[in-house]
Amino acid sequence: DTGVSQDPRHKITKRGQNVTFRCDPISEHNRLYWYRQTLGQGPEFLTYFQNEAQLEKSRLLSDRFSAERPKGSFSTLEIQRTEQGDSAMYLCAITATGLGGNTIYFGEGSWLTVV
Amino acid sequence: KNEVEQSPQNLTAQEGEFITINCSYSVGISALHWLQQHPGGGIVSLFMLSSGKKKHGRLIATINIQEKHSSLHITASHPRDSAVYICAVNFGNEKLTFGTGTRLTIIP
Repeated sequence: DTGVSQDPRHKITKRGQNVTFRCDPISEHNRLYWYRQTLGQGPEFLTYFQNEAQLEKSRLLSDRFSAERPKGSFSTLEIQRTEQGDSAMYLCAITATGLGGNTIYFGEGSWLTVV
Repeated sequence: KNEVEQSPQNLTAQEGEFITINCSYSVGISALHWLQQHPGGGIVSLFMLSSGKKKHGRLIATINIQEKHSSLHITASHPRDSAVYICAVNFGNEKLTFGTGTRLTIIP
C-alpha cells in the first residue's frame, strides 16, 4: 500500500479524445503532486496542490491539460484533444510529514497510450 | 539552471558486489531523495537527506552539501535489488527535479 491510489492504471485512446486520470490519497498528507514520466526518463513535474489550491503549474502543462482537486481530497488530471506526444505514465504523489521530515509517496501511475 | 545528473546510466554487477550510484546537482538544495522504481512503474522512497548519512538495511545514502553530490550504496547486492534508482532534489521549492535514473541489474 503506497498511500496513493490511481485509476485507471492503463488507458489506450485515439488521438483527439479526452482522458481523465484520478488520484485518491489514502493516507494523511500535506501536498498532492502530478508528475509525468516518459520511457527512459525521470519524472517531470506538472503541478501540485495544497488542499484544494493549485499552487504551481509547470509550463509542460499546456492549455489542453487541467488538474483539479475539489474539496482537497481526490484529484483529477484531464487531457483534452490528446496527441501522440502525451503518451507517458502520469504519476500522482503525496508528501506526509513525519519524524524524518517530509516523505513522498507515489501511486502506481497511470499509463497513457495515444494511438 | 536546476539540474540533476546521475551516473552510471546502467550498471550490471554480480550478486554480492558492493554497488555505488552517484548523483550531482547544480545549485543548493533543501532536500535530496533516493527512489527505487521497479518494472511496471511503482516508485518507492528509499531515503530523504539534507545532510550527512543514512542507513537502512543494506542501503546507505550519503550527501556532501559543499560538493553538491550524493551517493547511494548497496552492500551484498542481491538480484531483487535490480531496479531503476532515481535521485530527485528539492531546489528550495516544493517540487522535485529528477535525474534520469540508474538501471541496476544484479546477476545471480
